[in-house]
Amino acid sequence: EPEVTQTPSHQVTQMGQEVILRCVPISNHLYFYWYRQILGQKVEFLVSFYNNEISEKSEIFDDQFSVERPDGSNFTLKIRSTKLEDSAMYFCASNRQGRSGANVLTFGAGSRLTVL
Amino acid sequence: GENVEQHPSTLSVQEGDSAVIKCTYSDSASNYFPWYKQELGKRPQLIIDIRSNVGEKKDQRIAVTLNKTAKHFSLHITETQPEDSAVYFCAATSSNTGKLIFGQGTTLQVKP
Repeated sequence: EPEVTQTPSHQVTQMGQEVILRCVPISNHLYFYWYRQILGQKVEFLVSFYNNEISEKSEIFDDQFSVERPDGSNFTLKIRSTKLEDSAMYFCASNRQGRSGANVLTFGAGSRLTVL
Repeated sequence: GENVEQHPSTLSVQEGDSAVIKCTYSDSASNYFPWYKQELGKRPQLIIDIRSNVGEKKDQRIAVTLNKTAKHFSLHITETQPEDSAVYFCAATSSNTGKLIFGQGTTLQVKP
């Protein structure tokens, strides 16, 4: 069964450092997403990406965050200057079609970010 | 804005009993409602979903019901087993981008 893969599985960084989280979506999927989950809390939407541009983003996704699809397979989330409150599990997801109900989201295993 | 409320936050049942988790949503345009199961430290896994043109859907021991008028939907697990113990999240979407809005989660404990 096709999977969304994420690297690294766990990253520890100092406050103020830049972090890049990487994702390889399922190959025939067209919509890509980043979600985050602070420990013990719900899964929160960050951003959706389609046709090489952001299609929707949440209030959480401020100027410190950016996403990129640098080649045909990778989808990255960059946090420019990490803060303590960025510590969370970050999930990448992909969807063959973005229209609600057209298809389901498949989540990656997550990248745990710890900011010290 | 869009919001999904989920109750209860924790639920403890005896093995073999039924479990019911309820969610309400705010956006009347929502038309897709998935349920995810998340085991400790793992990714959310889709267990069942329902679309707005259907009132009920069942898959073995799991069923979901949708009341569009009241804007709420529920997950029903029958004959619960210890391996059903996990955090369950409901979600809803009306977005053309497929963005999901999640509920706060329900920690289900099934006691053997």
